[in-house]
Amino acid sequence: EVQLVESGGAVVQPGGSLRLSCAASGFAFDDYIMHWVRQAPGKSLEWVSLISWDGVNIDYADSVKGRFTISRDNSKNSLYLQMNSLRTEDTALYYCAKPVAGIVYGMDVWGRGTTVTVSS
Amino acid sequence: QSALTQPASVSESPGQSITISCTGTSSDVGDYNFVSWYQQHPGKAPKLMIYDVSNRPSGVSNRFSGSKSGNTASLTISGLQAEDEADYYCSSYTASSAQVIFGGGTKLTVL
Repeated sequence: EVQLVESGGAVVQPGGSLRLSCAASGFAFDDYIMHWVRQAPGKSLEWVSLISWDGVNIDYADSVKGRFTISRDNSKNSLYLQMNSLRTEDTALYYCAKPVAGIVYGMDVWGRGTTVTVSS
Repeated sequence: QSALTQPASVSESPGQSITISCTGTSSDVGDYNFVSWYQQHPGKAPKLMIYDVSNRPSGVSNRFSGSKSGNTASLTISGLQAEDEADYYCSSYTASSAQVIFGGGTKLTVL
């Protein structure tokens, strides 16, 4: 079964840091671009970042650029999101997602998400 | 980067068809065929319904179809069923920032 499982969410103070993880199984992880997408409570989806299969090509949303770092370890079938200088507006459910085979932007497998709450 | 524009809510009766619009610009929807549509039930992760404007992933009902005209993409659901009641989000690649943007979401009510 193709599966993504996020972890690492927590309550953190503004200015703090957090590292999210996403464990992949059931597919050839190192064949796929991977994405992070977040959803603030009651709000729409917001794309956060993507990383190519080899980790060479990386993009970020303007709202997180310079504060978040995406990475992956293909030997561990894992995706990461290092989040620094967290702000209250970063509070959201964070999903990792994989695209349909052979494409970049249509995400057909999503995890259940991990909750990040930034609050003093 | 501005979000894509979707109607906040739509409603229709079971068995009928409905179309949800997603309006962008020439920097995203208008110039690129990287429009996707997602269905999200409360408390659940999004589910991909359409990718690259009009392609259906394996397992998605053929009652769902996608199209695009100019800067506006559309999701049409035919033969509405109670389980189609959900939030729907469109997304597109945008060249203006080489990023992905989402619409604000449309709440579909099946009366």
